Amino acid sequence: DFVVTQSPDSLAVSLGERATINCKSSPGVLYDSNNKNYLAWYQQKPGQPPKLLIYWASTRESGVPDRFSGSGSGTDFTLTISSLQAEDVAVYYCQQYYSIPFTFGPGTKVDI
Amino acid sequence: QVQLQESGPGQVKPSQTLSLTCTVSGGSISSGDYYWNWIRQPAGKGLEWLGRIYSSGSIGYNPSLRSRVTISRDTSKNQFSLNLNSVTAADTAVYYCARGNTYGPPHDYWGQGTLVTVSS
Repeated sequence: DFVVTQSPDSLAVSLGERATINCKSSPGVLYDSNNKNYLAWYQQKPGQPPKLLIYWASTRESGVPDRFSGSGSGTDFTLTISSLQAEDVAVYYCQQYYSIPFTFGPGTKVDI
Repeated sequence: QVQLQESGPGQVKPSQTLSLTCTVSGGSISSGDYYWNWIRQPAGKGLEWLGRIYSSGSIGYNPSLRSRVTISRDTSKNQFSLNLNSVTAADTAVYYCARGNTYGPPHDYWGQGTLVTVSS
């Protein structure tokens, strides 16, 4: 199975500051034939299902604010929240969907 | 707008079978480049992908649960289902159904989730 890890486990960021979450997949999730990274990011607030933020490592889902961005390729990826808002307090998960079983990272809790 | 809704018993006894149904509205489970997933989350823990059924009917499972899990569908009702047998307390979790796109994101629409507790 693909192993997906995240760092840090949690972080506290001041309002308006940048938050950065890292995700590693072993093995890598870049599919050579289409040059796409099969890596997604989700936001989950208490009592709610996860919400898709980013797929193909850097494609923002429709309706997601542009302060959320994804980057990286192969094995190493980053989710950046450029200017943290109060409503961004949540747990963030990355997920590889290159191969089944799809696997999620353990999550990163973001607080103010 | 696609909507998914999980339904089923909130409590199951140990060693019995957990059965859940996901009802989909706003789109057909048997058409398009989509697949339909089950994912679970124990309280305070992370997410585990259980399996999926494609619009074509082909099915894939998480090998960690392969011997206990079955996914099926009823296209006439636009529903797909999860059966997990021989349950233990470790299967207590919120169970979600979600849509995946073969040429896009893996889980773009989610149900609200249903809590299943395994207890005698």
